[in-house]
Amino acid sequence: EIVLTQSPATLSVSPGERATLSCRASQSVSSNLAWYQQEPGQAPRLLIYGASTRATGIPARFSGSGSGTEFTLTISSLQSEDFAVYYCQQYTNRPPWTFGQGTKVEMK
Amino acid sequence: QVQLQESGPGLVKPSETLSLTCTVSGGSVSNGTYYWSWIRQPPGKGLEWIAYFYHSGSTSYNPSLKSRVTISVDTSKNQFSLKLSSVTAADTAVYYCARSPLGIKWGAAVVLGLDYWGQGTLVTVSS
Repeated sequence: EIVLTQSPATLSVSPGERATLSCRASQSVSSNLAWYQQEPGQAPRLLIYGASTRATGIPARFSGSGSGTEFTLTISSLQSEDFAVYYCQQYTNRPPWTFGQGTKVEMK
Repeated sequence: QVQLQESGPGLVKPSETLSLTCTVSGGSVSNGTYYWSWIRQPPGKGLEWIAYFYHSGSTSYNPSLKSRVTISVDTSKNQFSLKLSSVTAADTAVYYCARSPLGIKWGAAVVLGLDYWGQGTLVTVSS
């Protein structure tokens, strides 16, 4: 099973600042990685797939990068609606698909 | 607009079988360009992928749950279902159904994330 480790567990950021979230895979997943945003009581929302492609309707302030085992989600200028929990997920053709444990982005 | 809606009992007794259905609207579970998945999230915890199926009949299960899980489809109702047997309190979670589109990259099919999710349904295992 491929283990995804997200860091930090909690990120305290002020509105307008940049947030950088990390996801490390225990073995290469190539670019088969997605990022999701989850607000309390809501289903996750797809932000990024293929490590760097924004999903439909996702603002340009969200960007993803990386390949292999190291990935980054960057939110260039945090808006009030961006304070949430973020998960990475790998979906290689070697199930099981797995998720990271999440990074909570909170207001500083 | 694609919508997914989970349904099923909110309370299941220990050792019994949890049964959930996902009804899809705005799209077809027979469409060969999607995988259809079940994912769960225990209260206050992270996400765990359970299984997916593909229209051809192929399925894939999380090895940690494989001995207890069955995923099936009813194309006439545009639904797919999850059965989880011998449940314990550790199976208490919000259960989501979700869709994964498939794309083509360098001549091979590739998954493009989980783009549509149901709202989730809380299943509590308790006597």
